[in-house]
Amino acid sequence: DAEITQSPRHKITETGRQVTLACHQTWNHNNMFWYRQDLGHGLRLIHYSYGVHDTNKGEVSDGYSVSRSNTEDLPLTLESAASSQTSVYFCASSRTQGGNTEAFFGQGTRLTVV
Amino acid sequence: QKEVEQDPGPLSVPEGAIVSLNCTYSNSAFQYFMWYRQYSRKGPELLMYTYSSGNKEDGRFTAQVDKSSKYISLFIRDSQPSDSATYLCAMSALLDAGGTSYGKLTFGQGTILTVHP
Repeated sequence: DAEITQSPRHKITETGRQVTLACHQTWNHNNMFWYRQDLGHGLRLIHYSYGVHDTNKGEVSDGYSVSRSNTEDLPLTLESAASSQTSVYFCASSRTQGGNTEAFFGQGTRLTVV
Repeated sequence: QKEVEQDPGPLSVPEGAIVSLNCTYSNSAFQYFMWYRQYSRKGPELLMYTYSSGNKEDGRFTAQVDKSSKYISLFIRDSQPSDSATYLCAMSALLDAGGTSYGKLTFGQGTILTVHP
């Protein structure tokens, strides 16, 4: 079955370190998204991509970067981890089509910055 | 002010109750309205979606959209303990005149629902 997987599921890192969270989908979807989820804020969009080599900033992109070198993967990099980036991170993908398109979410990565 | 506002609750109801969840929004460009359900330590899953104004029913779930008031609702009839989860409203805008949506979503804060036996 097609799916979307995130790794690692849990990560503890130190302030100032570079961290990369992986996201891999096997649906061959063009569109991929990274969200963070914090209490009281719901899910907020960090970065998104509508295809290979396309990346766009979302609502809360400061301190994060992404690159899209193939259809299946959109890794999220925290350039210099800060305690404010402690959160649960969700990757999602969707296909481009007329009408509503469902976004499928991964299981999440729980990141703690100490 | 956030584009999408949702009462975070928490909401606790007895089994069999009717549950009403609501969101308001400010962006007139939103055309697709969705409800996601998220169980503890899991990713969100699409529960219902509605295009523009109107109602949609699926089993015990009914989604309503009132674009004139910028207000959407999800009703759960005969609620069950298995319905205990966080419910997130989400919205997206059309990106072209052909009605294409790319899945870029703006979420409410989420409402934590507990249905107790």
